[in-house]
Amino acid sequence: DVVMTQSPLSLPVTLGQPASISCRSSQSLVSSDGNTYLNWFQQRPGQSPRRLIYKVSNRDSGVPDRFSGSGSGTDFTLKISRVEAEDVGVYYCMQGTHSSTFGQGTKLEIK
Amino acid sequence: EVQLVESGGGLVKPGGSLRLSCEASRFTFSDAWMSWVRQAPGKGLEWVGRIRSKTDGGTTEYAAPVKGRFSISRDDSKNTLYLQMNSLKTEDTGVYYCITAGGGRWGQGTLVTVSS
Repeated sequence: DVVMTQSPLSLPVTLGQPASISCRSSQSLVSSDGNTYLNWFQQRPGQSPRRLIYKVSNRDSGVPDRFSGSGSGTDFTLKISRVEAEDVGVYYCMQGTHSSTFGQGTKLEIK
Repeated sequence: EVQLVESGGGLVKPGGSLRLSCEASRFTFSDAWMSWVRQAPGKGLEWVGRIRSKTDGGTTEYAAPVKGRFSISRDDSKNTLYLQMNSLKTEDTGVYYCITAGGGRWGQGTLVTVSS
């Protein structure tokens, strides 16, 4: 099974400052069809998760452009250019190339 | 907008069974790969399993902790996804979400509590 490892697990950030979350997979996420199925999700307190980024770097509709995704192979990153109060929550990466697996989650809080 | 509505959660004793349903609307359900994801209280997200569209074979895959106990099926005529859960354990307690397989849409979740 593919293991997804996120870091850090806790991320205190000052409002207006950037934030970065790393996600590493135990094997390459490049699919036989050439796509890399790595997605990022945000779960605000008390809410269902919502997808922010799909296939590494594609922002979902309605997601602010301060969120961006990058990476390839086994190493991926979610960046928030300037953290806002509404960004508080837990962020998860998920791979969909080899069945599916979620990372452990990264809790973002405001300092 | 795509809508997914789960139902069927509740309290069940260890060793018991439960069937969850997820009614889909506002998209072509029959073309979609669908998944179930769960979240134990205060914990992270855990992928449970998925089912491909019938066009893509309709086959299923499961996470190791539920393989052999849980079964995913679909009724495209009713736009409904199912999760049959047997031999339930206390560690199966949590909120169960129905999602499109890429995670683009989530339901509101249904709570399953396994306790004596």
